[in-house]
Parts: sequence; structure tokens; C-alpha cells
Amino acid sequence: EIVLTQSPGTLSLSPGERATLSCRASQSVSSSYLAWYQQKPGQAPRLLIYGASSRATGIPDRFSGSGSGTDFTLTISRLEPEDFAVYYCQQYGSSQFTFGPGTKVDIK
Amino acid sequence: QVQLQESGPGLVKPSQTLSLTCTVSGGSISSGDYYWSWIRQPPGKGLEWIGYIYYSGSTYYNPSLKSRVTISVDTSKNQFSLKLSSVTAADTAVYYCARVDTAMAYDYWGQGTLVTVSS
Repeated sequence: EIVLTQSPGTLSLSPGERATLSCRASQSVSSSYLAWYQQKPGQAPRLLIYGASSRATGIPDRFSGSGSGTDFTLTISRLEPEDFAVYYCQQYGSSQFTFGPGTKVDIK
Repeated sequence: QVQLQESGPGLVKPSQTLSLTCTVSGGSISSGDYYWSWIRQPPGKGLEWIGYIYYSGSTYYNPSLKSRVTISVDTSKNQFSLKLSSVTAADTAVYYCARVDTAMAYDYWGQGTLVTVSS
């Protein structure tokens, strides 16, 4: 089973700042099958990025994904008030899915 | 626009079987383009994949839950279902159904339903 680790656990930033979130895998992950989600309290997760770097439908271009192998990054170029939330990475491989533990982006 | 809606009891007794159904609208499960999945989230914790199914009935389960999980599909009703047996308090969670797209990402989610395991 591939284990995903996300860092930092919590990121405290101000609106307008840049956010850089890391997702590290215990073994190599196909870039085609690495996704990022945003979750706000009381809501279902929302797909932001799939295939490591492709934005899902309707996702603003301030969200970008990059990386390959075992190291992946989600970047939010300039934080808007609605971006403060928990972010999860997810991978698929060998017919199984796993999620990372999440990074909370909160207001400084 | 595809929509998914979970339904089922919100309270299940320990040792009993949790049963949930996901009704899909705005798209056909039988189209064959997607997988259909269950994910859960204990209160205040992260996401856990439970399993997924193809319209043909092929299933894939999380190894940690495999002995207790059954996912089935009813294409005539455009629904798929989850059964989790021998539940304990550790199975208390919000249960989500979701669609898996061709990039093996969850592109549409239900709103989630809280299931509490308690006597």
C-alpha cells in the first residue's frame, strides 16, 4: 500500500499570500493518478487537480499542481478568503486508492 | 450535471450491518465510462477509501475493510450500495458516495451522510 504524507499539517497565512502544500508518497506514484481536493467544514471534498497538474472544471488558475515520482506540490498563488480550508492529496495504484492526512490552511 | 445522493439509517447498533444506497442522477451508471465509489470520514479526521464498483459488478475493496464490505450496483435504478458488517464505534463516520473519472480522481461527490454506531 502506498502511504501519502502531507506537510505541513497546518499552514497559517494571510489573504494574498502564496501557499505551497507538499504531498510525499512512500513509493513512486503515476503522475496520471495523483489528485488534490479542497474540503470546507460540513462539505464534501471538491476536486481541484487531477493528473498531478490538470485543473478540474471551474477551478481558478491560482491553483496549480506539479511534481512526479514521490513528491508532489499544490500551489495557491494568492490566497483568497474562500481558500482557507483543508487540502488532501490522493493517489491511485494497483487497484487501490489512498488519501493523505490533509493540510489545513488557516488565516494568520 | 451529475448528482449523487446517499440514503440510509443514521444510527446502527454495534455488531449489526450498516447499509447505504447512493442514487445517481444526471448520468447513467451503465454508461461504462466511470467507476462508482464509497469513501468515509470519521468526525474530525481524514478521508478513507472503502471500495469501488464498475457497472458490470466488478468490485475493488480497501484491504483493511475487505472482510466486512460488500458494494453492489443496481443499474435499473441507477443506484449502487454499501454494506458494512459487524460495525463498531470505529465505523462512525460521514459516508460519501462519489464518481471516479478516467483519471482515477473523484470528480463528483454526494453531500455525505453521518452514520453513528451506538447502542
